[in-house]
Amino acid sequence: QVHLVQSGAEVKKPGSSVKVSCKASGGTFNNHPISWVRQAPGQGLEWMGRIIPVLAIVNYAQKFQGRLTITADKSTSTAYMELSSLRSEDTAVYYCLENYFDYWGQGTLVTVSP
Amino acid sequence: EIVLTQSPATLSLSPGERATLSCRASQSVNNYLTWYQQKPGQAPRLLIYDASKRATGIPARFSGSGSGTDFTLTISSLEPEDFAVYYCQQRSNWPPLTFGGGTKVEIK
Repeated sequence: QVHLVQSGAEVKKPGSSVKVSCKASGGTFNNHPISWVRQAPGQGLEWMGRIIPVLAIVNYAQKFQGRLTITADKSTSTAYMELSSLRSEDTAVYYCLENYFDYWGQGTLVTVSP
Repeated sequence: EIVLTQSPATLSLSPGERATLSCRASQSVNNYLTWYQQKPGQAPRLLIYDASKRATGIPARFSGSGSGTDFTLTISSLEPEDFAVYYCQQRSNWPPLTFGGGTKVEIK
């Protein structure tokens, strides 16, 4: 069984960028889509985008176009989510999700504060 | 983009009671409808996929039904650990993947 292990919590200033990693342990995810989903405090789940590493296909939710970059390193089975031009509304827990077997990372809290 | 509407927003019930949660899609999602349970501080947990298939390790008191645009998650007899927020998700026509707004099942 694959476990997705995400990088630790981040505190960022408005206008800066954050990069969160998601590493598959116990297997690889190269053939399956990996999505990024976020959850603002007290709010629901919001899909941000996905990557299919083996095909190098990336799709973004329209809301994040131009501000979000999703990449993957097949050699280390690690996916990355980079969000730029951060604002306070980006404060949320960010999850990676392997879409085929529905494995979730543990979540990474990103706090955007002056 | 397919919009998923969950109702009710909050369900107040007692342990042992039956819970019925609804998820309605703005267009057909065929059977590609998934249900998750989420507890505070935890990632969502897969309950039901393809509208009615229980995920591994999910108790039989959880069941999913429906097709097309109307889906239901039923918890036949609530246990204390079932009080949580439940989300539906569709991947019939994605990207984008879309989620419903959630239903909170709280203790009455």
